[in-house]
Amino acid sequence: GAGVSQTPSNKVTEKGKYVELRCDPISGHTALYWYRQSLGQGPEFLIYFQGTGAADDSGLPNDRFFAVRPEGSVSTLKIQRTERGDSAVYLCASSSGQRSEQYFGPGTRLTVT
Amino acid sequence: EDKVVQSPLSLVVHEGDTVTLNCSYEVTNFRSLLWYKQEKKAPTFLFMLTSSGIEKKSGRLSSILDKKELFSILNITATQTGDSAVYLCAGPHYGGSQGNLIFGKGTKLSVKP
Repeated sequence: GAGVSQTPSNKVTEKGKYVELRCDPISGHTALYWYRQSLGQGPEFLIYFQGTGAADDSGLPNDRFFAVRPEGSVSTLKIQRTERGDSAVYLCASSSGQRSEQYFGPGTRLTVT
Repeated sequence: EDKVVQSPLSLVVHEGDTVTLNCSYEVTNFRSLLWYKQEKKAPTFLFMLTSSGIEKKSGRLSSILDKKELFSILNITATQTGDSAVYLCAGPHYGGSQGNLIFGKGTKLSVKP
């Protein structure tokens, strides 16, 4: 398919564990974004990559959250020492440029027990 | 602080009705406003508005922006049950990159047969 893909679609983990969430953007899109969405809320910005570098990471809630995009395509969001409050749907989006519309993936539902 | 406010938060209509969803965008330095439709997980891009008074249209959906008042509406005519979804409005956050979108809480539209 030509859209943004995310894996896994669902992830259940125990409090304190480490998780990795993967995002595969639309081919050719240089910009990639991570958002987090809690029930009844709109998506909340986490981090934005332009190419391989994080252009804006002001939305990361604390230093347990980290994201990489080593080759300018696939990105991984990493959460250390997960807490129950991290439970949410993590959405990834990509766009062809900084000022272009963003296209979203189906998200990963993370549940921390 | 920049914010996006949507109204109503929820709406129930019958098939064939016309609906108007509202979005007000309080921002220091306006650049654009975007509308998305969210069914289940992935928000689907609908419109990006940058110019005041110019209507964007796609089938039964249309949207227009009042740049001076920082207000936008999304109209759906002849609603169908497939229009049932959460409609999200978003805009770039002042001081952040263009990718740093802030979203409203959304309007949950339910279309009854």
